[in-house]
Amino acid sequence: GAVVSQHPSWVICKSGTSVKIECRSLDFQATTMFWYRQFPKQSLMLMATSNEGSKATYEQGVEKDKFLINHASLTLSTLTVTSAHPEDSSFYICSARVSLAGDSGTQYFGPGTRLLVL
Amino acid sequence: QKEVEQDPGPLSVPEGAIVSLNCTYSNSAFQYFMWYRQYSRKGPELLMYTYSSGNKEDGRFTAQVDKSSKYISLFIRDSQPSDSATYLCAMRYQGAQKLVFGQGTRLTINP
Repeated sequence: GAVVSQHPSWVICKSGTSVKIECRSLDFQATTMFWYRQFPKQSLMLMATSNEGSKATYEQGVEKDKFLINHASLTLSTLTVTSAHPEDSSFYICSARVSLAGDSGTQYFGPGTRLLVL
Repeated sequence: QKEVEQDPGPLSVPEGAIVSLNCTYSNSAFQYFMWYRQYSRKGPELLMYTYSSGNKEDGRFTAQVDKSSKYISLFIRDSQPSDSATYLCAMRYQGAQKLVFGQGTRLTINP
């Protein structure tokens, strides 16, 4: 159980285009999903926390107009990188928090999406 | 000072060795402690979860939390080459949604 999928697994795009990444919880409902960015040989950097049906909460320094997050259902959140530039190239990972009474807040991670902007 | 400190390694040990991975933290308010394993170019995979102090064992893995010392450990017994990965500790305050991660330790098990 607790499987999270991401699509696409990798994407190459031209500078100036927008890219959408989907994150789905496959076998559980997730009221909260998280989006991270990871640079090579570094730890995870939280970008935003997304609660179903409400606006995402962005971490300091993350441009909300650049990284659009939508959490329209209990099993789907999307991250759109708008007007992507080469510096946006990175590994983007989502996670979902299991929605159970008294839960530990454990997050289950997707496999990640590698974005390369040319 | 970072909230969570983790030696980034790299750590290289022979197959069959016992591996000890550690994190220290500064805020005693952390209540939930997790260890994740991340293979190259993959998302992190939850290995162990512990609430408050104590030990937890799952197969070859043992997680320990010492809240008095603000120190958590992950032990891997009979290490295998397939255990080669980056191990991330993570922790959370009571009532918080966000996890605070360590920097991750790169581990290599040599056959």
